[in-house]
Order: sequence, then C-alpha cells, then structure tokens
Amino acid sequence: AQSVTQPDIHITVSEGASLELRCNYSYGATPYLFWYVQSPGQGLQLLLKYFSGDTLVQGIKGFEAEFKRSQSSFNLRKPSVHWSDAAEYFCAVGAGTGFQKLVFGTGTRLLVSP
Amino acid sequence: SAVISQKPSRDICQRGTSLTIQCQVDSQVTMMFWYRQQPGQSLTLIATANQGSEATYESGFVIDKFPISRPNLTFSTLTVSNMSPEDSSIYLCSVEEWGEFFFGPGTRLTVT
Repeated sequence: AQSVTQPDIHITVSEGASLELRCNYSYGATPYLFWYVQSPGQGLQLLLKYFSGDTLVQGIKGFEAEFKRSQSSFNLRKPSVHWSDAAEYFCAVGAGTGFQKLVFGTGTRLLVSP
Repeated sequence: SAVISQKPSRDICQRGTSLTIQCQVDSQVTMMFWYRQQPGQSLTLIATANQGSEATYESGFVIDKFPISRPNLTFSTLTVSNMSPEDSSIYLCSVEEWGEFFFGPGTRLTVT
C-alpha cells in the first residue's frame, strides 16, 4: 500500500535561514507527489507537485522540491525562510486506480524564530 | 483552479446527534472527496463521491456513520451520524481537476 513518511514532527528555523523538510514515500509505480501547506485556521494550499520530467520542481512562495527515485524521497526546500512560512507542511502521494486519491504524510510543523 | 466552500465552518454538537456538512464547488467536477483531520494529525480519506453513484468508503469508514450525498456535479454533503467525542475533527472537502487536488477551508467539529 502507498504510504508517506515525514520523519520530522517539528522543525524550528531562524528567519532568513534555509529550510529542508523531508518526505519519503512508498509506492510501486511512478509516484505523483505533492507538497501542501496548512496555515493556522486555513485550508490546504498546494505548494508544488511532481508528475514526471525534471526532478527539480519549482513551486509557489519560493519553495522547490527534488524527486529522487533512488532514495524514494521528495524533500521540500526554501533558501530563505520568512516568518510567514510558519505552518504545517504535508507531503502526499497520488494513489489508487487512475490516481484517484491522495495519501498524506503525518505533517511537519515549521516554527520560525526571529 | 476550483474554489470550494463549506458550511458550516465550525460547530459544537452534543454526542448522539448528527451534523451535515455541505460542500459547494464553483465548477463541475467528476470526483469529490471527503477527508478527516483529527486534532494534531494528518488527513485521512473518508470516501470518494461520484455523481450518480454510491460513495466509495475507505477502510475503517462506513456509510451508516458517514452517509454522503452527491446530487449533482458541484455539490456534496457529508453527515456525521450519532456523534461521539472521537468524531471531533476538521472535515475537508476536496476535488480533483487535471491531476491537482483542491481543498475547501474545512469544517471544525467539536463533539461534547
């Protein structure tokens, strides 16, 4: 069965520092991978997605992610974190017949210190 | 991109009662999804609802507890029946368009 692991429950980063959030997936075929952000009291917003092609994917808000098939990973990065980036980040894999649903990781809460 | 609204945004309910959550999309979509996000946890898919057919439930979720309606291509409801405190969660509606999944703002349910 498909699964997603986000090994870091919480991460604290200083404002202006770089960020990397880890995501590992388990999926038998070529995965469709997503990163979402959930700010307090708000819904989920898609940051970026990977379907195929270039393994380095650019997203919104200055985020990027790199798909590494050999490591079954899809880590999210940002070169310089802003205080407004503090939120919950979810990695997800498209699963099911015909890619009919998302399986989410447990999430990583990002805290940004001054 | 699809814009999704949900009603109510939040509610506090007594155990043993039922709550129906509405989901409205601004475009016609084939598939609609209902997720649950328990406090401090990730999202879990409850069921997939296609217009004109019965919803497909994930393991651990049953129709008697979470009946779903899908009367047309822009609207769906999820009912949480005979509620207990364990049902306190955020319930999110989602749709898929061209390989992207869009989410509603969620309904925060507290059961006392």
